[in-house]
Amino acid sequence: GENVEQHPSTLSVQEGDSAVIKCTYSDSASNYFPWYKQELGKGPQLIIDIRSNVGEKKDQRIAVTLNKTAKHFSLHITETQPEDSAVYFCAASITGNQFYFGTGTSLTVIP
Amino acid sequence: DTEVTQTPKHLVMGMTNKKSLKCEQHMGHRAMYWYKQKAKKPPELMFVYSYEKLSINESVPSRFSPECPNSSLLNLHLHALQPEDSALYLCASSQLVRDNEQFFGPGTRLTVL
Repeated sequence: GENVEQHPSTLSVQEGDSAVIKCTYSDSASNYFPWYKQELGKGPQLIIDIRSNVGEKKDQRIAVTLNKTAKHFSLHITETQPEDSAVYFCAASITGNQFYFGTGTSLTVIP
Repeated sequence: DTEVTQTPKHLVMGMTNKKSLKCEQHMGHRAMYWYKQKAKKPPELMFVYSYEKLSINESVPSRFSPECPNSSLLNLHLHALQPEDSALYLCASSQLVRDNEQFFGPGTRLTVL
């Protein structure tokens, strides 16, 4: 099955700085890559996703890049704010509804 | 309505108890999921229902019994659980088209004594 690795496991940044989280996947058949944000006491919420026919996608302060050849994808958050503090999970999917999640990154934005 | 609701929020049960977790969505999604999440870990897929039929069972022990009585409801029946089953149980739903967002509920925090 698919194996998704995620780094770093913890990340602290000053407010206003950028944060980057990286994931690698093992199965070249994976073709859908969502990113979820999970705040304390809540379920994960989708923040951005990318499909294998796209190299980059941006939504305001959040962007995701995908390198299919290297089998890695990254989340970029610019101008970080304290409310960005949460746990972020990447995921990869082959079939479209079976997600393989990365191990998570706990992001802390220091005011 | 883009919400998945789960009840109860918290549940404490003994190893001999029988209890059920409930999940509901009114987004017209025809795929529904149960995940288990331990502290500081990612969600682990347990079951997937497609058109109210069980399509994926990730080798979950039989003490967990899922049920999908209709397209809006998903239950997880619990019996003879072990303390290591204590976790956050998340329900999710999605459209049944390829590469579609899964909407997660807030979860039920389960403690098995």
